[in-house]
Amino acid sequence: QKEVEQDPGPLSVPEGAIVSLNCTYSNSAFQYFMWYRQYSRKGPELLMYTYSSGNKEDGRFTAQVDKSSKYISLFIRDSQPSDSATYLCAMSRYQAGTALIFGKGTTLSVSS
Amino acid sequence: GAVVSQHPSWVICKSGTSVKIECRSLDFQATTMFWYRQFPKQSLMLMATSNEGSKATYEQGVEKDKFLINHASLTLSTLTVTSAHPEDSSFYICSASQGVEGKNEQYFGPGTRLTVT
Repeated sequence: QKEVEQDPGPLSVPEGAIVSLNCTYSNSAFQYFMWYRQYSRKGPELLMYTYSSGNKEDGRFTAQVDKSSKYISLFIRDSQPSDSATYLCAMSRYQAGTALIFGKGTTLSVSS
Repeated sequence: GAVVSQHPSWVICKSGTSVKIECRSLDFQATTMFWYRQFPKQSLMLMATSNEGSKATYEQGVEKDKFLINHASLTLSTLTVTSAHPEDSSFYICSASQGVEGKNEQYFGPGTRLTVT
């Protein structure tokens, strides 16, 4: 079993839809959870960063972490065509200066 | 804030030659930098972790003599692909972290696309 599992999609939704992206993980030692957005041929851009369990909201984006289920989610409200990208979840065990473990990424396409 | 640049963004080289890729943190000091490789439609694979002033730590299966990493300052790390071969063609991405408590975020560069002919 891989440490981080993420459905690669592709996921296609109409503009304005609510999008739910998810990752599961196996290592209970993970404490820091991130979501990155990556456009084609570009480096990943940090969207959300959370520590331990709970919710975090930033504009149209909400990140949820459920450590008891080893499950994290990213919700995108009022999705826009510009949200079309690959979304990568990432997590790490420790704080500063440790490598991230990435999911494979989910490709999202939002049609206008 | 938290901008990371990479140079070059795209390079083509002949088999057997060496290529150097630079990664710079522009507005913060990066105690730790990471180098990843990404093949088409695949996730990022960590190659090595480098801390300023010390030797890089390579992931299993990554040849340290082929992928030379230097992290000489808090704002610059370089990856040199030596004696490049077509199978080294990939998208190389660096990330940088301030490496201090409460600032674990990693910020990524835009990537360098290497094509070896």
